[in-house]
Amino acid sequence: DIQMTQTPSSMPASLGERVTISCRASQGISNYLNWYQQKPDGTIKPLIYYTSNLQSGVPSRFSGSGSGTDYSLTISSLEPEDFAMYYCQQYDSSPLTFGSGTKLEIK
Amino acid sequence: EVQLVETGGGLVQPGKSLKLTCATSGFTFSNAWMHWVRQSPEKQLEWVAQIKAKSNNYATYYAESVKGRFTISRDDSKSSVYLQMNSLKEEDTAIYYCTWEGDYWGQGVMVTVSS
Repeated sequence: DIQMTQTPSSMPASLGERVTISCRASQGISNYLNWYQQKPDGTIKPLIYYTSNLQSGVPSRFSGSGSGTDYSLTISSLEPEDFAMYYCQQYDSSPLTFGSGTKLEIK
Repeated sequence: EVQLVETGGGLVQPGKSLKLTCATSGFTFSNAWMHWVRQSPEKQLEWVAQIKAKSNNYATYYAESVKGRFTISRDDSKSSVYLQMNSLKEEDTAIYYCTWEGDYWGQGVMVTVSS
């Protein structure tokens, strides 16, 4: 199975700040990488697919990049609704696997 | 509007069975590849199972942790996907989500396995 190492596990940040979350795969995943946001009520929202493509309705302050084994999610200027959990997920090979999550907290 | 609604969760003793249902609407279910994903109390997400469409002979795939105990199935006439969980273990305790290829997710249903 491909292991997804996501860092940091938690990140205190301020409104308006630029933040980056990283995800490293145990082997190359050819950009088959999704990002999800999970709110405290459990709602899971897809943000980005295939490394850098925004899902419909996702604000442009979200962006994704990466290649090979290293990927990242960047939020350019934090809004109040962005404080949540974030997960990466690879779909290059079965089984699908997820990172352990990053909790974005208000500083 | 796409909707996925999971039901059937609850508290069950180890070794017992439970069946989850995911009722969907707002898209052509018969063509959709559906998944179950679970989230442990430690917040780790784990893919559980997938079922493909009729055109793919309803092929199914399972995580090693549930293979032989869980069965995913679907009823296209009801736009629903199911997860039959047998021989439940305490480590199966989680919130179970159904998802349409990761693009749409249900709200999740809690399953607690405890004596």
